Amino acid sequence: EAGVAQSPRYKIIEKRQSVAFWCNPISGHATLYWYQQILGQGPKLLIQFQNNGVVDDSQLPKDRFSAERLKGVDSTLKIQPAKLEDSAVYLCASSAAERLGTQYFGPGTRLTVL
Amino acid sequence: SQQGEEDPQALSIQEGENATMNCSYKTSINNLQWYRQNSGRGLVHLILIRSNEREKHSGRLRVTLDTSKKSSSLLITASRAADTASYFCAAITGANNLFFGTGTRLTVIP
Repeated sequence: EAGVAQSPRYKIIEKRQSVAFWCNPISGHATLYWYQQILGQGPKLLIQFQNNGVVDDSQLPKDRFSAERLKGVDSTLKIQPAKLEDSAVYLCASSAAERLGTQYFGPGTRLTVL
Repeated sequence: SQQGEEDPQALSIQEGENATMNCSYKTSINNLQWYRQNSGRGLVHLILIRSNEREKHSGRLRVTLDTSKKSSSLLITASRAADTASYFCAAITGANNLFFGTGTRLTVIP
């Protein structure tokens, strides 16, 4: 089966600019996750979708980050405006409910904020 | 924080040796998973152990879980240079959220 797709793979922006990331999960996977991974750390969950509804966004900095999954398939994560500390890899993952939480990760988008 | 912690942070071994990584977590879990991440790549699921299991094997991988101590270990036997990567444990809570540890960076020297 095709894996989780993410684009772009790399993005460099200046602080205060806006940026958007796109994710296409594995076909049929109802749950989609966005993670932020700062260099040298483990991934931190930003938001979890079940179909097109938000299950958990408790760690999403809502003043600048937003995410949507309008049709329950693709998802976009937006940062507006970006700060230097947003430099990280943004990982998208998906899971099928019957796999007890096993998540399948995309390659990530590496964001550099200058 | 509900994140776990891996120990050691970095491990360097010779090819053929065994590598053991430990993980501690803070919250009650449904299961615990181990993931591998090659440099610049996404995470790959390795193995899952349920909260009512104590040990699980998959190929050269052996995972143990001690829920009373809130700890797990990952053993990679007969290591290969291709095993060089970062390894993360992830605690799965009732909401199917993963809380990742800080990772162990494993280097296998050919």
